[in-house]
Amino acid sequence: QQQVKQSPQSLIVQKGGISIINCAYENTAFDYFPWYQQFPGKGPALLIAIRPDVSEKKEGRFTISFNKSAKQFSLHIMDSQPGDSATYFCAASNQGGKLIFGQGTELSVKP
Amino acid sequence: DVKVTQSSRYLVKRTGEKVFLECVQDMDHENMFWYRQDPGLGLRLIYFSYDVKMKEKGDIPEGYSVSREKKERFSLILESASTNQTSMYLCASSAYGRGVAPYGYTFGSGTRLTVV
Repeated sequence: QQQVKQSPQSLIVQKGGISIINCAYENTAFDYFPWYQQFPGKGPALLIAIRPDVSEKKEGRFTISFNKSAKQFSLHIMDSQPGDSATYFCAASNQGGKLIFGQGTELSVKP
Repeated sequence: DVKVTQSSRYLVKRTGEKVFLECVQDMDHENMFWYRQDPGLGLRLIYFSYDVKMKEKGDIPEGYSVSREKKERFSLILESASTNQTSMYLCASSAYGRGVAPYGYTFGSGTRLTVV
């Protein structure tokens, strides 16, 4: 019940296209859903996060869509650029404090 | 900027050796975490600490121990390294105390450990 399942494991998108990464969770006590971005040789860095009282959050080209009833959330990257090529992790937590991470998605944006 | 510094980027150790991975953060964060990262498995929590001298097991603590003698330093110890502990190890810290949602983990750049 503590798992967060992420798909796909890898994704190839053409420059200018939309990248979509999906996550699903079981624990209805989760109340914080961040996405982390990791470039090669670096640690993950917080990209964008959402709480379950809203269905969508947008920051520039990055949007989180949240479906509470389906217990799913997704990251959309609009107008994807080669510089977006990285590994993306979804995560979830409740007031217990620990983040539970998904398995990661390796995104490659082709010029 | 908050910095989480891991002492080594790359380490090669022999089977059976005792290995110390060091992590230091400079923002007076209460929480510190050790994860290992493996392809297809994501980030798996090994140990975490909410305060000095406190430690709690994560999801995969077997074969590991930790030490937190000072607030800014959290060490991961492989008691007797084995080849299945070859991995990328990531340290993270966050500002909030136990019971509060941990907004914004800050990660170090990782230590890639190879056990031969």
